[in-house]
Amino acid sequence: NAGVMQNPRHLVRRRGQEARLRCSPMKGHSHVYWYRQLPEEGLKFMVYLQKENIIDESGMPKERFSAEFPKEGPSILRIQQVVRGDSAAYFCASSPSSGDTGELFFGEGSRLTVL
Amino acid sequence: GEDVEQSLFLSVREGDSSVINCTYTDSSSTYLYWYKQEPGAGLQLLTYIFSNMDMKQDQRLTVLLNKKDKHLSLRIADTQTGDSAIYFCAERFSGGYNKLIFGAGTRLAVHP
Repeated sequence: NAGVMQNPRHLVRRRGQEARLRCSPMKGHSHVYWYRQLPEEGLKFMVYLQKENIIDESGMPKERFSAEFPKEGPSILRIQQVVRGDSAAYFCASSPSSGDTGELFFGEGSRLTVL
Repeated sequence: GEDVEQSLFLSVREGDSSVINCTYTDSSSTYLYWYKQEPGAGLQLLTYIFSNMDMKQDQRLTVLLNKKDKHLSLRIADTQTGDSAIYFCAERFSGGYNKLIFGAGTRLAVHP
């Protein structure tokens, strides 16, 4: 039973380029959460999605960032026109439902470096 | 508002007990969690406690919850070098889904 799969693990972009980060949740999980971890800091919530719906995007910057979780395929976090401040580790987590003990299962993260 | 605070560093000798502390703000949080992050890796759930409990023990781990003071602690008995990692405290958002609010993490260093 594969865990949460994120790719790429490492991504280097120049300022102004686009970054696309992908997340495949655990099998049977229909809830996806994206978090950002800046160097030497904790994880900050970005967005919560269910299949084809954005439920809570209160942590997403208003510009340049978008997320989707289509009916088929992985969840995508897209960052347009990247800037140096976007350099961070982006973690995806999934859960089977919105209740129970609330445990989130995390991927290994995608580390974005903006030159 | 939502805020979780932790001390940033803890250094202990191998074999001693480690105690990592955390304070949170949302008194309606139903679950509180401890996650472990090793270098270059994702977060791994260590343990969680439901808000109607004040203590939970799981092998070398003991979680204490003081709801009145909104204080959570994680005690690791007989700390080993393999326990060196960053430990994150998190509270579950009270809005009914699994959005977790994390502290900044406590970096535990275990030395011989």
